[in-house]
Amino acid sequence: GENVEQHPSTLSVQEGDSAVIKCTYSDSASNYFPWYKQELGKGPQLIIDIRSNVGEKKDQRIAVTLNKTAKHFSLHITETQPEDSAVYFCSRAGGGADGLTFGKGTHLIIQP
Amino acid sequence: DAGITQSPRHKVTETGTPVTLRCHQTENHRYMYWYRQDPGHGLRLIHYSYGVKDTDKGEVSDGYSVSRSKTEDFLLTLESATSSQTSVYFCAISAGPGFGNQPQHFGDGTRLSIL
Repeated sequence: GENVEQHPSTLSVQEGDSAVIKCTYSDSASNYFPWYKQELGKGPQLIIDIRSNVGEKKDQRIAVTLNKTAKHFSLHITETQPEDSAVYFCSRAGGGADGLTFGKGTHLIIQP
Repeated sequence: DAGITQSPRHKVTETGTPVTLRCHQTENHRYMYWYRQDPGHGLRLIHYSYGVKDTDKGEVSDGYSVSRSKTEDFLLTLESATSSQTSVYFCAISAGPGFGNQPQHFGDGTRLSIL
């Protein structure tokens, strides 16, 4: 089936620095790429998404880039804050009614 | 937050017993999904529904069945629970199909332990 690779599995950054999480996918039919943040004991929360006709999207401190040719997309968080500490998941969807395929997650740790 | 309620939030049961998890939504969304989350595997799709009485299998559907008799409720049943089904189960909803017309929103999960 469709595979999504996510790196790194753990990322520790100093408060105020930037964090980058990268994902790759294999299915050329993928056309929607949402990112989720999950805090302990909670369900995943959508933080930003991008569609295949767009190369970059930004929302305040969060940005996502997409390279369809290389089949990879990345999440960028600038000026990190303690509340950014969580597990982040990349995901993708194709042209059908079925669900998302997720990466295995990145545990982001913001060091004070 | 999207109006999604999962019940129960926690359950402990024994191998071989039947278990039913419920997902209730107040958004009147057409699409509903069940995922399981396990360490080292992320979230994986079990079953999904694209309308009342319309369901289909996901990546890890063996041992699970689902039913959707009305728009707001999507039930996940483990007919005879096994220890390998110990996991955290998440329900998600979407107003549009998975290719991105509308995003998916998740409930807070059910933690299921099978002893």
